[in-house]
Amino acid sequence: NAGVMQNPRHLVRRRGQEARLRCSPMKGHSHVYWYRQLPEEGLKFMVYLQKENIIDESGMPKERFSAEFPKEGPSILRIQQVVRGDSAAYFCASSPRQRDSSYNEQFFGPGTRLTVL
Amino acid sequence: TQLLEQSPQFLSIQEGENLTVYCNSSSVFSSLQWYRQEPGEGPVLLVTVVTGGEVKKLKRLTFQFGDARKDSSLHITAAQPGDTGLYLCAGARTGGFKTIFGAGTRLFVKA
Repeated sequence: NAGVMQNPRHLVRRRGQEARLRCSPMKGHSHVYWYRQLPEEGLKFMVYLQKENIIDESGMPKERFSAEFPKEGPSILRIQQVVRGDSAAYFCASSPRQRDSSYNEQFFGPGTRLTVL
Repeated sequence: TQLLEQSPQFLSIQEGENLTVYCNSSSVFSSLQWYRQEPGEGPVLLVTVVTGGEVKKLKRLTFQFGDARKDSSLHITAAQPGDTGLYLCAGARTGGFKTIFGAGTRLFVKA
């Protein structure tokens, strides 16, 4: 059973370009989360999605950032007009349908390391 | 303001030593997870604790959830170089979807 897949693993963009990060959740998982991690820091929540729905985007910057999880295909985190401060590791995690909020186990992908020149 | 405070932030010990890392909050969590992250990789789930006072063992690792479900600890017995990594605690508050991560404890075990 394949784990969470993210691509690309490394992405280099110049300031002003667009970055598209893809995440394929584990088979059978319908919940996807995106996190951002700066060097030597923990993970910062960005957005939580289910198929075709954004459940919680309270961690997403209001401008330039968007996320989607279509009915078919991977989840996409899109960053428009990138700036140097967007350089970070972006992790996607997935979880199965949750019966309640007691269990919150998430399974992480290997991450995409974005470098903005 | 960090809702989950982890301590210590950094720990360097010799192989064979024991250690404990802590994850504290003033908030109540429905569950807490512990993850380990190695450089260049994503976090890997180690354990989930749900019940106040719960203790779980994973080989040389012992995890405890506080009675009030506000804090947790991870104890490693006879640490090995392979235990080196960033240990993260994470949780979701009761009724919430958003997972909050602590800043992590960076452990280095010297051979």
